[in-house]
Amino acid sequence: DVKVTQSSRYLVKRTGEKVFLECVQDMDHENMFWYRQDPGLGLRLIYFSYDVKMKEKGDIPEGYSVSREKKERFSLILESASTNQTSMYLCASRAGGPDTQYFGPGTRLTVL
Amino acid sequence: GNSVTQMEGPVTLSEEAFLTINCTYTATGYPSLFWYVQYPGEGLQLLLKATKADDKGSNKGFEATYRKETTSFHLEKGSVQVSDSAVYFCARGASGGSNYKLTFGKGTLLTVNP
Repeated sequence: DVKVTQSSRYLVKRTGEKVFLECVQDMDHENMFWYRQDPGLGLRLIYFSYDVKMKEKGDIPEGYSVSREKKERFSLILESASTNQTSMYLCASRAGGPDTQYFGPGTRLTVL
Repeated sequence: GNSVTQMEGPVTLSEEAFLTINCTYTATGYPSLFWYVQYPGEGLQLLLKATKADDKGSNKGFEATYRKETTSFHLEKGSVQVSDSAVYFCARGASGGSNYKLTFGKGTLLTVNP
């Protein structure tokens, strides 16, 4: 089975802090994704990476950056956390075949 | 651009009732279509998918048929159970080329009561 893990299930940070969310997949997938999920808005793509050190902006990249130094790990960085970044963050990894993505359990981030 | 519109919830049903959750997509190209399910406190899981017109995806008693003529991919189940209570997301893939992104609908919360 594909396994996608995220470093924390719940995280509480203060405004202005630098926040790192880590995602690891164990299936040698080339593509990895970061989404945020908000009530009434569904899932929105923040960034994705199609290979090591390669990244592309999604639909809402402002206030975020990413890092992919190794194939299995994709990090989302909030340089200076703000309250409007309080959300559920979901990482996904793409298998072969037509666009199937496998998701981690999510990190619920609260910024105070 | 690509978009997915799905039935707004919440949907509340009694156990053994018939379920339909409507989903339509923009008709750009021939995308793959997906239903994902999110159980409380968990990430999304792939429920079923279809890759071309008239394909039927099925899993755990759920079905959805790729209808090109109506640009729809409605989710159905003949007899729901309490354990089906979850949020359901319809999604479309890319229409070709090297675009890796999925576009999701906003999700439909289903609650099944005993």
